[in-house]
Amino acid sequence: GENVEQHPSTLSVQEGDSAVIKCTYSDSASNYFPWYKQELGKGPQLIIDIRSNVGEKKDQRIAVTLNKTAKHFSLHITETQPEDSAVYFCAASSSSNTGKLIFGQGTTLQVKP
Amino acid sequence: GAVVSQHPSRVICKSGTSVKIECRSLDFQATTMFWYRQFPKQSLMLMATSNEGSKATYEQGVEKDKFLINHASLTLSTLTVTSAHPEDSSFYICSARVIGTPNEKLLFGSGTQLSVL
Repeated sequence: GENVEQHPSTLSVQEGDSAVIKCTYSDSASNYFPWYKQELGKGPQLIIDIRSNVGEKKDQRIAVTLNKTAKHFSLHITETQPEDSAVYFCAASSSSNTGKLIFGQGTTLQVKP
Repeated sequence: GAVVSQHPSRVICKSGTSVKIECRSLDFQATTMFWYRQFPKQSLMLMATSNEGSKATYEQGVEKDKFLINHASLTLSTLTVTSAHPEDSSFYICSARVIGTPNEKLLFGSGTQLSVL
C-alpha cells in the first residue's frame, strides 16, 4: 500500500523567512496530493492541493511542487507569519474519488516573531 | 460554502459507556465520509469509510463492533464508540469528499476529543 514520508518533523523559522516541507510517496499510482494545516485541538484545514497532471501550484504565499518521477512533493510558505505556526500534514491518494488519504507524519512549524 | 460540522467537540465519559459522535456535511451531500483517529502528536489514521445506505468499510485492525458507524442520510454519519475504555481516549475526526468543479477535495470536521475515565 501507499506510504508517505514527511520531513522535517519540526521546523523553526524567523518571521518573514521561507519554510519548506518535503514529502515522498511510494505508490506511483497516487495522483492527488493535498496539504493540511492543523492547529491544536482542531481538525485539519486544507490549504492547498495538487494533482499529478500539474507540476506546481501557487496560492498567495503558499506553493506546492510535485515531481512525479522522483515521487516527491513539497510545500513552500514564503514570508512566514506567526499565525502560520501549526502542524502541517501532507497526504497522498491513489484516486481523489476514494478520498482515502494516507498522511505523512506531520511537521510542527514554529514561526518566531 | 461547503463545511463539515462535527459534534461534540469534547466528551468525557465513564468506562463502559457508549459515546456517539456526529458528522454533518453542510451545503453539500456526502455519499462517502471517513473517520480518522489521532493520538497526541501523531498523524491521522483512517479507521473506516462510511457509505450512505450501506455498511461501512473498516481498516485492518479496527474493531467494527467497537466502533459502530451509521450513514443514514447524505448529510449525516455517526460514529459510536461502544463500551468505551481508557485506551479509546483519542481525537476522532471525520471528513467528507466535496464533489464539484473544478476538482474534488476532502474537508475535515473540527474533531472530537474523547476522554474515557
